[in-house]
Amino acid sequence: QVQLVQSGAEVKKPGSSVKVSCKVSGGTFSDFSISWVRQAPGQGLEWMGGIIPIFATSHYAQRFQGRLTITADESTSSAYMELYGLRSEDTAVYYCARGTFEVRLHDAFDKWGQGTMVTVSP
Amino acid sequence: EIVLTQSPGTLSLSPGQRATLSCRASQSFSSSYLAWYQQKPGQAPRLLIYGASNRATGIPDRFSGSGSGTDFTLNISGLEPEDFAVYYCHQYSSSLVTFGGGTKVEIK
Repeated sequence: QVQLVQSGAEVKKPGSSVKVSCKVSGGTFSDFSISWVRQAPGQGLEWMGGIIPIFATSHYAQRFQGRLTITADESTSSAYMELYGLRSEDTAVYYCARGTFEVRLHDAFDKWGQGTMVTVSP
Repeated sequence: EIVLTQSPGTLSLSPGQRATLSCRASQSFSSSYLAWYQQKPGQAPRLLIYGASNRATGIPDRFSGSGSGTDFTLNISGLEPEDFAVYYCHQYSSSLVTFGGGTKVEIK
């Protein structure tokens, strides 16, 4: 069965960057979108952006334009989310999530990673 | 950007009762692009419904979704103890993907 396994928790200083990985196993990697969704402590879900690995084109929510890079490596079936210029408000759990259907960037998410806690603190 | 407003914020019910959760959109969009998720503390969200009314794999038939245009509903007929959680709606009709703020279903 399909599993998404993310890298471990991070503690970062304001102004620095963080890169989180998401390795997909047990299914096809290239044809399904991978999105990144974050959740601040006690808050709701926020879509950040996504990619379909076979197309290698990323799409970002407007508020993250210029501060976020999402990439995918088909050779390792892994997706990456790198966020720059970190501030305290970026403290959150970051999830990767896979689209339900092939070759659809905007899709419901049927598989999720376990989440990666990123803490931004001086 | 389509804003999704979920109501109520909290729903206090007893096991066995029916839960009705609302998700209202700031503008109309195709029901093909509306999903519902369940999230329990410390866990990732779980997909329940996609395309407004299609149950995801392995989701019990006590969960049902309906709606169109700007008004969407998630019904849980006969709450089980494991159903007490937070529920989110999600629209993916455009590049401006958004989630609702969530409804917490708690034990009365």
